[in-house]
Amino acid sequence: AQSVTQPDIHITVSEGASLELRCNYSYGATPYLFWYVQSPGQGLQLLLKYFSGDTLVQGIKGFEAEFKRSQSSFNLRKPSVHWSDAAEYFCAVGAGSSASKIIFGSGTRLSIRP
Amino acid sequence: DSGVTQTPKHLITATGQRVTLRCSPRSGDLSVYWYQQSLDQGLQFLIQYYNGEERAKGNILERFSAQQFPDLHSELNLSSLELGDSALYFCATAAGSRTGRTGELFFGEGSRLTVL
Repeated sequence: AQSVTQPDIHITVSEGASLELRCNYSYGATPYLFWYVQSPGQGLQLLLKYFSGDTLVQGIKGFEAEFKRSQSSFNLRKPSVHWSDAAEYFCAVGAGSSASKIIFGSGTRLSIRP
Repeated sequence: DSGVTQTPKHLITATGQRVTLRCSPRSGDLSVYWYQQSLDQGLQFLIQYYNGEERAKGNILERFSAQQFPDLHSELNLSSLELGDSALYFCATAAGSRTGRTGELFFGEGSRLTVL
């Protein structure tokens, strides 16, 4: 069965520091991978996605993620975080026999230290 | 604003009761997904409808049911409510049915259910 693991429940980084959020997936075939962000009191918003090709994908708000098949990972990175990046981040994988659904990880809460 | 509307935003009810949550999709979106978000379970996929038909099922309890109407809005019915059903219920919509390939889900702001 498809699954996504985000090992870090909560991360705190200083404003201006770099960020890396970890994500590991379990999927038999070529995965469709995504990162979503949830701001307080809001629904989720798609940050970026990977289907094939270049393993480094760029997203909105200055985020990027790197797909590493050998490590079954799809880590999210940002070179310099801003206070407005404080939110919950979810890694997800496209799943289902017709790729009809998306399975989410448990999320990582990001706090920004002034 | 994602364009997806969920009502009510907050709901408080008692154990054993029944509630209905409503979702209006973005214009043109045919797929509706329901997710349950709780502190201990994270974001759990419940069910998907595409153009009125059920397409995929996740961890949805038998006490829960959903449907999508001809005008494409969807309702999630929760019955015989238990304390553990307290959660944030999200509706998300997409243009097509193979959202697992595109990843482009548009989420509403959720309906927060509290069961006392």
